[in-house]
Amino acid sequence: ETGVTQTPRHLVMGMTNKKSLKCEQHLGHNAMYWYKQSAKKPLELMFVYNFKEQTENNSVPSRFSPECPNSSHLFLHLHTLQPEDSALYLCASSQEVGSSYEQYFGPGTRLTVT
Amino acid sequence: GQNIDQPTEMTATEGAIVQINCTYQTSGFNGLFWYQQHAGEAPTFLSYNVLDGLEEKGRFSSFLSRSKGYSYLLLKELQMKDSASYLCAVRDRASGTYKYIFGTGTRLKVLA
Repeated sequence: ETGVTQTPRHLVMGMTNKKSLKCEQHLGHNAMYWYKQSAKKPLELMFVYNFKEQTENNSVPSRFSPECPNSSHLFLHLHTLQPEDSALYLCASSQEVGSSYEQYFGPGTRLTVT
Repeated sequence: GQNIDQPTEMTATEGAIVQINCTYQTSGFNGLFWYQQHAGEAPTFLSYNVLDGLEEKGRFSSFLSRSKGYSYLLLKELQMKDSASYLCAVRDRASGTYKYIFGTGTRLKVLA
């Protein structure tokens, strides 16, 4: 248990569906992140929020839409995804962005797009 | 561009010492992290280096040379539970915002 929870743990969706991934951290952190992890590829940073403000969008397609209503919750809204979007989506948090603050990762959501 | 290289796989024997290397190219280096990831689990933090030199934490140590764009993770007294992937990650601030760039990870197998 890292103090970061993600739901659902597994998700299968069709290309025309709309779904959302949820992340919650219980660590009192101020920064939250979304990553994509595909087989045999490096972890890819997608979005960064620092004190609820989005500070980084790493050229992510608009079919992925993040939302950070408060410092403890982070959502990733998904619509009209492609099969190549199938991957493990990891949420992470840290005290702040920068300095020596390490990231704490959630268990991930395994997404399959059919 | 930004790039991180680390070996894909390594094998070592229980009780031995193993060194996992990482080389990187970034324009705005702002710190280097090592994470451990067991199969099917989330990455967990191992170490952080921002200045040159060695950081020691129990059985694990991490070294950084910024001039060479090089780091290594040293694992001593290997145990079977150390079988995992080890991820090298660099934080870059060239564009004014923080980016975290990960390597593909080194899968370490510890044999009895």
